[in-house]
This record gives sequence, C-alpha cells and structure tokens, in this order.
Amino acid sequence: GQNIDQPTEMTATEGAIVQINCTYQTSGFNGLFWYQQHAGEAPTFLSYNVLDGLEEKGRFSSFLSRSKGYSYLLLKELQMKDSASYLCAVMEYGNKLVFGAGTILRVKS
Amino acid sequence: GAVVSQHPSRVICKSGTSVKIECRSLDFQATTMFWYRQFPKQSLMLMATSNEGSKATYEQGVEKDKFLINHASLTLSTLTVTSAHPEDSSFYICSARGPSGGGLQNEQFFGPGTRLTVL
Repeated sequence: GQNIDQPTEMTATEGAIVQINCTYQTSGFNGLFWYQQHAGEAPTFLSYNVLDGLEEKGRFSSFLSRSKGYSYLLLKELQMKDSASYLCAVMEYGNKLVFGAGTILRVKS
Repeated sequence: GAVVSQHPSRVICKSGTSVKIECRSLDFQATTMFWYRQFPKQSLMLMATSNEGSKATYEQGVEKDKFLINHASLTLSTLTVTSAHPEDSSFYICSARGPSGGGLQNEQFFGPGTRLTVL
C-alpha cells in the first residue's frame, strides 16, 4: 500500500533553521517532491529529488535516501512568510503523485 | 512558462445542480492532467487522471458517473460535479504534467484551485 508520513505541525523561530521529515512506503518510486501550500491556495513547487543526496536551492534544501524511504526539507533563515503547510509527495510510475498529509509550519518572531 | 489556470476560482451552487470546472495549460500542451480534491486541513487526494483523447482513470472510491472528466484538447480538461451535494464542498485542484523535454516532464504544475460550496 501507500504510506507517506510527516509531522502534523512544527513551530520555529524567525531566522532559525527547521527540518521537516518525510518517510514513505509506496508501490513505485519516480521521484519525491516538496510543495509549499498557503491556506486556500494551490501548492507551489519547492524541490524534486530522484537520486540520493542533497539538493540545495537558496534557503531551501531537500535530501533523499531511497534505501531508507526517507526525505527531509530544510529551511534556513526562516521568515514569517514561510509559515505554511509543506507537502511531501511521491511520484509513482505513471506520474501519479501521492501526497502526505502535510506539515503545518508556524514561524514565530 | 508552464502555467495552469482554473476557472472559476469560487463557485456556490444549490444542492442537486451540476458544476463545471475548467483547467487549462496556458503555454504548453498537456497530454495528461490530474484532478485532486482537498478537504479542510487535509492533504490533496487524487481523484482521477485525465488523458487527452481517452477516458479518464479514476481512483478507488471516486464515482466516475458523479465526477465527469473530459479532456478534449491538449490544453483543456474539465471536471463536472453532477448533482452536487453539500458533502461535495471542497477545494478542487487540477495539475498538468509538464511538457516533454527540458527536464519538466516529471513535474506537475498546479492550477490555483476552485473552491466549491454546495448549499
């Protein structure tokens, strides 16, 4: 079956670093995506990992270990506008995306 | 590039009526589009995969006769919620598979979503 787990909520302070973990068990694997979603809006693409290792993109980095079924999203120099829901999604064969329930990140000053 | 639009952004309808939602890829051709539903404080759930020129593939538990999908062209897919009921109230989001080449074919580009409220 399909199972994607990520923490429900996290709180961090402005300027700090936060790591959001995601573990997955899916019937196929064609890459892992991280999306940011503000309330009432569509998800916006943050990162894509298909090979093991770290992908860095500005303040955001994402890591993947396929053997462990594990990924994390690292956000540095947190800003208030980073308060949002962060969705981990695995692409199965056939380009079907399976989403985790999302992690609500609250950034406090 | 790779912009997806949805129309309408919000719709309120009476119970028993049908509502059509359009999803368009504005600057690329999308042979595959996806329809998702998201209830409050929950994640996106894939409803169906829409393929241009063929029948949509529905996920388990999604009624194909209630949620009609038409993908008549390479830039347009429509979702019609037939005989809508209050429990169909949700945020409906479409996405389009990225154009082939350029490394985007594995990415999905999301529309802005449609908020449906059934009274």
